[in-house]
Amino acid sequence: DTGVSQDPRHKITKRGQNVTFRCDPISEHNRLYWYRQTLGQGPEFLTYFQNEAQLEKSRLLSDRFSAERPKGSFSTLEIQRTEQGDSAMYLCASSTRDGRNSPLHFGNGTRLTVT
Amino acid sequence: DAKTTQPPSMDCAEGRAANLPCNHSTISGNEYVYWYRQIHSQGPQYIIHGLKNNETNEMASLIITEDRKSSTLILPHATLRDTAVYYCILNRDDKIIFGKGTRLHILP
Repeated sequence: DTGVSQDPRHKITKRGQNVTFRCDPISEHNRLYWYRQTLGQGPEFLTYFQNEAQLEKSRLLSDRFSAERPKGSFSTLEIQRTEQGDSAMYLCASSTRDGRNSPLHFGNGTRLTVT
Repeated sequence: DAKTTQPPSMDCAEGRAANLPCNHSTISGNEYVYWYRQIHSQGPQYIIHGLKNNETNEMASLIITEDRKSSTLILPHATLRDTAVYYCILNRDDKIIFGKGTRLHILP
């Protein structure tokens, strides 16, 4: 399967701990996106990359959140000093070059539970 | 925030065509209409998109009105596996902004 892969699928952590999620996009997709989804809501945009460059960050992405895509392939999303409000599904998506006429392909997400 | 309006929920009998409406009266000339769906506990799945013309693929048909202010997603023969939340989205900038979508229930 050559779809978007996310790891881990589930993560349970205690408040105050740091967590890191990984996303492997579809090969040769140079755009990579992170979204967050809470129960009953649609996904919320967090940030996106064109190759290794982070082009936009949502105001939702507080200083505790950092995303990287060091070699323009896989990406990581780190949350420092987790809070209970960080509990959500974190979704990764990828697309080819210009997003306007290129569908996003999503992974099945990492579900984070902060206790 | 989302620039589309969708009914919060709809029912459709299994085997019948499911017609999901979407209003996007403020659409710009270069914005594409996209449809995604999300089945419980999975990531959103791309269905179809279009700019001006009607589009059809193996999953669905997309009908866009001539003034582009509304569109309809058609699932020709709905099955129980089509039960999901369906999102109608305008692709502006280089990212997509999700609204709350339509929760489609397929009734056996």
